[in-house]
Amino acid sequence: GQNIDQPTEMTATEGAIVQINCTYQTSGFNGLFWYQQHAGEAPTFLSYNVLDGLEEKGRFSSFLSRSKGYSYLLLKELQMKDSASYLCAVRGPSGTYKYIFGTGTRLKVLA
Amino acid sequence: EAQVTQNPRYLITVTGKKLTVTCSQNMNHEYMSWYRQDPGLGLRQIYYSMNVEVTDKGDVPEGYKVSRKEKRNFPLILESPSPNQTSLYFCASSLGGGAHEQYFGPGTRLTVT
Repeated sequence: GQNIDQPTEMTATEGAIVQINCTYQTSGFNGLFWYQQHAGEAPTFLSYNVLDGLEEKGRFSSFLSRSKGYSYLLLKELQMKDSASYLCAVRGPSGTYKYIFGTGTRLKVLA
Repeated sequence: EAQVTQNPRYLITVTGKKLTVTCSQNMNHEYMSWYRQDPGLGLRQIYYSMNVEVTDKGDVPEGYKVSRKEKRNFPLILESPSPNQTSLYFCASSLGGGAHEQYFGPGTRLTVT
């Protein structure tokens, strides 16, 4: 079957660093995505990984290990506005453009 | 302004009454997709379209129809809605199927009684 696991909730302090993990088991892999979703709003794109390694984009970084079916999103210098849900998604199998999303991790940033 | 629009934003309807949720994008994107979002289940893909007249099933297509007659529009049709289709629906588009970023519409909250 297809499955994406991520923690339901995390709490961190303003200015800190937080790592949100995502593990996946999917039939085929054609890229892993992270989206941010504020309460009551639509998801917005954060990052994309298709090869193993780290992709850095300002305060956000995303890591992928395809052999382990594992990714993480790293958020540095946390700000109050980072309080949101973070969605991990896998695209695949190859030749299709289907997306499987995890249920999301709700991050609370405390002052 | 580049955007994905959905209409209506909110809809309350009764079981069995056919409805259409419209989705339109002004970015000349080839790829469009519909999702539903339910508490505890996350976003689930219903249908997607690679281009005009090309559509394919996502994970939860049962009870839904789509069409892609024009590049900019991708309506979602519920021919006979049931209460289990009560959900928050998002339309999304991207430059192509292989593009990294999907742009999501604002969502349509549907309640079927």
